[in-house]
Amino acid sequence: AQSVAQPEDQVNVAEGNPLTVKCTYSVSGNPYLFWYVQYPNRGLQFLLKYITGDNLVKGSYGFEAEFNKSQTSFHLKKPSALVSDSALYFCAVRAYNQGGKLIFGQGTELSVKP
Amino acid sequence: DARVTQTPRHKVTEMGQEVTMRCQPILGHNTVFWYRQTMMQGLELLAYFRNRAPLDDSGMPKDRFSAEMPDATLATLKIQPSEPRDSAVYFCASGAGQGETQYFGPGTRLLVL
Repeated sequence: AQSVAQPEDQVNVAEGNPLTVKCTYSVSGNPYLFWYVQYPNRGLQFLLKYITGDNLVKGSYGFEAEFNKSQTSFHLKKPSALVSDSALYFCAVRAYNQGGKLIFGQGTELSVKP
Repeated sequence: DARVTQTPRHKVTEMGQEVTMRCQPILGHNTVFWYRQTMMQGLELLAYFRNRAPLDDSGMPKDRFSAEMPDATLATLKIQPSEPRDSAVYFCASGAGQGETQYFGPGTRLLVL
């Protein structure tokens, strides 16, 4: 079965510290992986994606993600967290052969404290 | 700055009433998705279209929900009759192909009393 898991419902980080939001996936074929962020009362905003190439993908707002095929993971990272990074983060994988459908994780609430 | 637009942004209605939500995808995008987000269920895919044809609507309660694309610039999601359990935020997203990024609209916040 194709799926995405975000093992942490919430991640708490102090401002200025590095942050990691975890994601693991299970999918047929080559994975297309995405990260989205959702601020309160807003729609999901695209952060970054991995399709092929370099395993380290850089995205918006200083975020990056590392694709690890052997561990089937795509963790989101940022070297120095900001209070304004506090939001809900979703990992997603494209479902194989289903017309572009994405399978989303349950989301991880990131809280960055001053 | 191309964006997905959704109307209305907020809707309060009474149980049994018809609700219609509209979405304008980004110009040139040929794939449109409808999602529902609730605290309990998280983000659920209801239906999606490619080139205006429905690809999958298995996530939708068929007896009361319907989704259409009358033309390439408009997607609609209707609920008739609405029920309190339909209260949620409904998002539309559009994309330009199978591997392309989905871009989300701001959502319609629906409250059914």
